[in-house]
Amino acid sequence: DTEVTQTPKHLVMGMTNKKSLKCEQHMGHRAMYWYKQKAKKPPELMFVYSYEKLSINESVPSRFSPECPNSSLLNLHLHALQPEDSALYLCASSQDRQGSYEQYFGPGTRLTVT
Amino acid sequence: RKEVEQDPGPFNVPEGATVAFNCTYSNSASQSFFWYRQDCRKEPKLLMSVYSSGNEDGRFTAQLNRASQYISLLIRDSKLSDSATYLCVVNIPGGKLIFGQGTELSVKP
Repeated sequence: DTEVTQTPKHLVMGMTNKKSLKCEQHMGHRAMYWYKQKAKKPPELMFVYSYEKLSINESVPSRFSPECPNSSLLNLHLHALQPEDSALYLCASSQDRQGSYEQYFGPGTRLTVT
Repeated sequence: RKEVEQDPGPFNVPEGATVAFNCTYSNSASQSFFWYRQDCRKEPKLLMSVYSSGNEDGRFTAQLNRASQYISLLIRDSKLSDSATYLCVVNIPGGKLIFGQGTELSVKP
């Protein structure tokens, strides 16, 4: 079963709100990822967790705060976002952080910042 | 030069046609290569990994030429359901995947 789940599917938030995106996988994968995708563009990497530790932060603004409570869960905490942060946020997981392993994506959270 | 470059789309083909997508990558240290497909407003789904010897999965054939840093995907007997954006994906040292811009395929009846 190559399933990654994400909640919520859709989220509308104001610029002063605080919200969280959640991601879960039960494949025993040890690497998890957050991507941001704008329309007609490929996914852009934001963060990588490997064995529950943050290993890559692609210079993402501090208004995005990732958290990995355990090996199956990944959260993305959002605070004081801007309208240009509206996008599809994708979570992915892979067996390990090494790039030779395929990444499996969740269905994404479509975020609108008003 | 972009790290991963793909043919610009869109490709509009009739059902039953054979269509080929090309992709080049710039980092010669890359070791792993993938094709993903992405339907409109959905997540990317792994279509196939690309191996040095080339590999086939039903109507889909992927080839890798390390010397030319070139990857291809061939789709035979196109179906309406093949309409999607196809993403060429390459790993770079450090464990990151780099996505090409994607090639849009539209298969018409």
